[in-house]
Amino acid sequence: DIQMTQSPSSLSASVGDRVTITCRASQSISSYLNWYQQKPGKAPKLLIYAASSLQSGVPSRFSGSGSGTDFTLTISSLQPEDFATYYCQQSYSTGWAFGQGTKVEIK
Amino acid sequence: EVQLVESGGGLIQPGGSLRLSCAASGFTVSSNYMSWVRQAPGKGLEWVSVIYSGGSTYYADSVKGRFTISRDNSKNTLYLQMNSLRAEDTAVYYCARVAVVGVYTASYYYGMDVWGQGTTVTVSS
Repeated sequence: DIQMTQSPSSLSASVGDRVTITCRASQSISSYLNWYQQKPGKAPKLLIYAASSLQSGVPSRFSGSGSGTDFTLTISSLQPEDFATYYCQQSYSTGWAFGQGTKVEIK
Repeated sequence: EVQLVESGGGLIQPGGSLRLSCAASGFTVSSNYMSWVRQAPGKGLEWVSVIYSGGSTYYADSVKGRFTISRDNSKNTLYLQMNSLRAEDTAVYYCARVAVVGVYTASYYYGMDVWGQGTTVTVSS
């Protein structure tokens, strides 16, 4: 099974900061990588698919990059509503594994 | 409106059984891949199971042999039958639609684009 590893597990940032989260797959998954945002007590929300494509309605300050085994999620200018936990997920093969999550907190 | 509504969670003793339901509206369950994802208290997301539109089913190793995913096309509802429950199965269980969210150079990209609100399962004596 494919394992997904995110770093860091948590980070503190201020409004307006540029934030980058990294996700690594245990084997090549091409561009079959999704990113989700989850706020406390809520279901996850799909942000990015195919490593770099924005889901409809997602603000353009979110971007994704990478292919193969290494991927990044970038928030160009952190907004108050972006404080949440972010998860990567592989969609390359059945197993649909998630990373362990990165919690973005207010500094 | 496209929506998923889970039900069936509750407090159950170790070794017991529970069936979760996920009622869909605004789309057809049988025409889509559908999945269950769980989240233990204070922990991350864990994929549990998927049923493909053709009927094939797959499970995480942690639940294989104990959980069964199914659907009722007439009720447009997804199910998760959970048997031999353990304390470590305690979690919020979400159902999600796994849709084709992008197509590039004949490659299909899937994502969980619709989620239910979650139902809580607590396994404890």
